[in-house]
Amino acid sequence: NAGVTQTPKFQVLKTGQSMTLQCAQDMNHNSMYWYRQDPGMGLRLIYYSASEGTTDKGEVPNGYNVSRLNKREFSLRLESAAPSQTSVYFCASSRGPNYEQYFGPGTRLTVT
Amino acid sequence: AQSVTQLDSQVPVFEEAPVELRCNYSSSVSVYLFWYVQYPNQGLQLLLKYLSGSTLVKGINGFEAEFNKSQTSFHLRKPSVHISDTAEYFCAVSDGGGKLIFGQGTELSVKP
Repeated sequence: NAGVTQTPKFQVLKTGQSMTLQCAQDMNHNSMYWYRQDPGMGLRLIYYSASEGTTDKGEVPNGYNVSRLNKREFSLRLESAAPSQTSVYFCASSRGPNYEQYFGPGTRLTVT
Repeated sequence: AQSVTQLDSQVPVFEEAPVELRCNYSSSVSVYLFWYVQYPNQGLQLLLKYLSGSTLVKGINGFEAEFNKSQTSFHLRKPSVHISDTAEYFCAVSDGGGKLIFGQGTELSVKP
């Protein structure tokens, strides 16, 4: 099992460009999450999907959109990237609420 | 809103010494508590979790944590650390709704 996979691993964007971060899990988990990690701030939840077909905002959703494509895949889209979105992005999945979350290796995004 | 405070941003310690990483949370409802570890340039890995039952929780790599409801704390301990324990450690709390709130992280640096 690969667990949680994320693509790409690294990305550099110019201000105003768009991109989609991909995430997939092969553990048959119901819930999936997107976080961003910034120095000294821990991880902050951007969006989550409690189950296939549902999505909801987390703590810092502005500037992002998500799509739960199917049970395995949960993508994060930046429509018009800003330097403030420079961060490391992690996808995670879990069997459901209260179960531990499994994290992908992360995507390091730089917006210039 | 729930919050998590990790009281030390950096903890330097010598190899084979004991260590305690402190975590306090604010919540008036039942909580589920987690400790995660992040090695350099990797995603997060679950160390241990408290959902219910015994307040002393044992995790991987010799770590343990004690849930103290009256003090709203969930401190992480290891009696003897190794160089390989050098990493960043995150405390997280869930309210049962599936969303995790993370602390800011504690960098554990084990010196020979």
